This record gives sequence, structure tokens and C-alpha cells, in this order.
Amino acid sequence: AQSVTQPDIHITVSEGASLELRCNYSYGATPYLFWYVQSPGQGLQLLLKYFSGDTLVQGIKGFEAEFKRSQSSFNLRKPSVHWSDAAEYFCAVGNTGNQFYFGTGTSLTVIP
Amino acid sequence: EAGVAQSPRYKIIEKRQSVAFWCNPISGHATLYWYQQILGQGPKLLIQFQNNGVVDDSQLPKDRFSAERLKGVDSTLKIQPAKLEDSAVYLCASSSTRESYEQYFGPGTRLTVT
Repeated sequence: AQSVTQPDIHITVSEGASLELRCNYSYGATPYLFWYVQSPGQGLQLLLKYFSGDTLVQGIKGFEAEFKRSQSSFNLRKPSVHWSDAAEYFCAVGNTGNQFYFGTGTSLTVIP
Repeated sequence: EAGVAQSPRYKIIEKRQSVAFWCNPISGHATLYWYQQILGQGPKLLIQFQNNGVVDDSQLPKDRFSAERLKGVDSTLKIQPAKLEDSAVYLCASSSTRESYEQYFGPGTRLTVT
């Protein structure tokens, strides 16, 4: 069965600092992996996705993520965080039936 | 292009009452999803439609939840009767056949059951 673990419930970073959000997945086959961001009162917005090929994927808003099969991880990174990045971030794994399994999310606070 | 529309945005009901949520997906998107997001958790898939047929409803509590997508376009999710633990945000998402792995989410309906 598919599952996603986001070990960090809440992270606080200073504006301009680098960011890494962790995601570990469990899936028997090659996973389809996603990162979504959710601002308060908003729906989920896709940041980036990995299906195959290059293990380092670029997304919107300056985010990137790296797929590491040996570690079953798909960590999200950003070199310099902006105050507007404060939000909830969700990692998800998808299967061939287009069914998504989401992690519990990481809440990001950005301090000036 | 217009996004996924949901209504109402907020709803407060008492337990044992019924409630219905509406979703209009992006035009031309064949697949429609309903998710339940309880506070502090990630979204959980309730039901997935492909056109007007159900693909997966294994996590839908069928004794109280029902959903339909009669004409393969908009969809309604109903809860009857509601329980306190149904308090959550109900998210609708849609995807196209061509880019089936890219789901577009609506703003959600926040349900509070008292």
C-alpha cells in the first residue's frame, strides 16, 4: 500500500534562508511524486511533480525537489525563502490509477 | 481558463442534519475527485469519477456519504446524517485525460458539525 511520511510537522525559517522539507514514501513500483502548497483558506496548488527521468525537478516559485530511490525520499528545497512562502506543504504519491496519497503536511513559518 | 469551482465555501450544521456540496470541474476534465481534509491531516480521497462512472469509492463511508456526477460534468457530495467527526474541509479536484496526473484543486468547503 502507498503511504507518505512528512516527519516535520512545523518548520520555522528566517526570510532569505534556505529551506528543505522532508518527504518519504512507500510504494512498490516507480512512484509518481508531487509537492503541493496550501495557503490558508485556499485549495492546493501544484509546485512540482516527478514521473521519471531526471531526478532533480524544478517547480514554480523557485522550488525544486530531488527523487532518491535508495532513500525513498522526495525532499523539497528552496535556496532563499520569501515571507510569501509561509503555508502548508504536502507531499503526495500517485499510482497508475491516478489515486493520490497525501502526507500529513508541514507547516512553514517565515520570520523576518 | 476557469478553475475548479466549489460551493458553498463554508457550512455549519448540527449533527444528524444533512448537507450537500457542489463542484464544477475545469471544462473538459474527465476525472473528478472528492477529498476530505481533517484539520492537521493531509487530504484523503473519498471518491474518484471518470466521466459519470465511479472509479474508486473504497474510502467513502457509504452509510452516510453519497456522491454523484450524473452528466459527467459537475458533481454533488452529500452527507446524511452528519456526525461531529465529519467536520473537515471537502476538496474537489479534476484532471484531464491528457495530463491525468495533474490534479487541479478547488478552494474547498469548510464544514463544521456542532
